[in-house]
Amino acid sequence: SQKIEQNSEALNIQEGKTATLTCNYTNYSPAYLQWYRQDPGRGPVFLLLIRENEKEKRKERLKVTFDTTLKQSLFHITASQPADSATYLCALAFLPGFQKLVFGTGTRLLVSP
Amino acid sequence: DAMVIQNPRYQVTQFGKPVTLSCSQTLNHNVMYWYQQKSSQAPKLLFHYYDKDFNNEADTPDNFQSRRPNTSFCFLDIRSPGLGDAAMYLCATSRDGDGNNQPQHFGDGTRLSIL
Repeated sequence: SQKIEQNSEALNIQEGKTATLTCNYTNYSPAYLQWYRQDPGRGPVFLLLIRENEKEKRKERLKVTFDTTLKQSLFHITASQPADSATYLCALAFLPGFQKLVFGTGTRLLVSP
Repeated sequence: DAMVIQNPRYQVTQFGKPVTLSCSQTLNHNVMYWYQQKSSQAPKLLFHYYDKDFNNEADTPDNFQSRRPNTSFCFLDIRSPGLGDAAMYLCATSRDGDGNNQPQHFGDGTRLSIL
């Protein structure tokens, strides 16, 4: 079965630094990979989507890369702020068009002032 | 603002007493999902509706049922809640139709406690 791995340990960084979160998957390569932010007691909020034929996607301070050879996506937040502290989930969809997402367990990011 | 609304935010029920969670959306999305999320775990898909078509996940217990009376509303019924059903229940919606993968829009969940 498909397995998605995100670092279960919290990532602690200082304000202003770049945070890099990792999402690794096994077996089948997804057609799409999405990243979500989840705050405590809230539902996930969509951030970025990247397709299998795209190497990189950017949105403001966010950048996502997708390496189908390594079976890995990296999620970067540049110039991090305490307000970026949250859990970040990656989610995979394996076919184009409508498909269910398979979520990772998320990595908690803590940005200290 | 268009959104996904879940009621109630917190629900307490007794062991074995049926409970219904509700979800409404103003996005006019054709797909609605129910997820179960336990502490520090990934959201686990229970089932989804594609328009009126119900799609159950293979490992969703029979204890969990769902209804979608119209485009805007979807309900999760737990017929006989057990202690293991205590969790956050998330409703989400997405649009389908142009062949591209679409993001999902989540409500803020209902946290269910079982006494």
